[in-house]
Amino acid sequence: EAQVTQNPRYLITVTGKKLTVTCSQNMNHEYMSWYRQDPGLGLRQIYYSMNVEVTDKGDVPEGYKVSRKEKRNFPLILESPSPNQTSLYFCASSFVNRGSNEQFFGPGTRLTVL
Amino acid sequence: EDKVVQSPLSLVVHEGDTVTLNCSYEVTNFRSLLWYKQEKKAPTFLFMLTSSGIEKKSGRLSSILDKKELFSILNITATQTGDSAIYLCAVWSGTYKYIFGTGTRLKVLA
Repeated sequence: EAQVTQNPRYLITVTGKKLTVTCSQNMNHEYMSWYRQDPGLGLRQIYYSMNVEVTDKGDVPEGYKVSRKEKRNFPLILESPSPNQTSLYFCASSFVNRGSNEQFFGPGTRLTVL
Repeated sequence: EDKVVQSPLSLVVHEGDTVTLNCSYEVTNFRSLLWYKQEKKAPTFLFMLTSSGIEKKSGRLSSILDKKELFSILNITATQTGDSAIYLCAVWSGTYKYIFGTGTRLKVLA
């Protein structure tokens, strides 16, 4: 089944404790992206990746890191989480130049930073 | 600064009504506009629009793009309670970024 998976789905942590949210897709998509969704602000892009070893900042990259060592994986790293990073996070993937930019979204990770 | 603006922010209708959701954009190097539906989980794809004036249709949903006036509309006819969701509009830009609007929250009452 074609899908984007994220883990964990729910996470409660404390300020300053490093964490990683994993994202994996099995559709051979070149493009992968991380978003955070907050009430009244919609989906905001954190980082995106055009392909392996190619990443770039979205609109809200501060406090986050990413890496793209393999085509299927795109982990999101919070080196020192803070309460303002409490949010719902989505990973998504898509083809880039194959007629459709439809993004497929993972199920979401709800993160609470105390 | 690139931006996508959706209106209305929220809408309450009764089953059978027709609704029109609006999306306007100011995005450098526009490539395509996409509509998604989000229920209590991840967004799911509805339409992708790249050309002005060509209507995309799927059942009771339809959408059209006006690249001159920089907007798109999503129409839902004969609404059902299952249409209750947040509808998201996004623009894919030539800078390889997706810019999302804040969404329209639609509630359909039985």
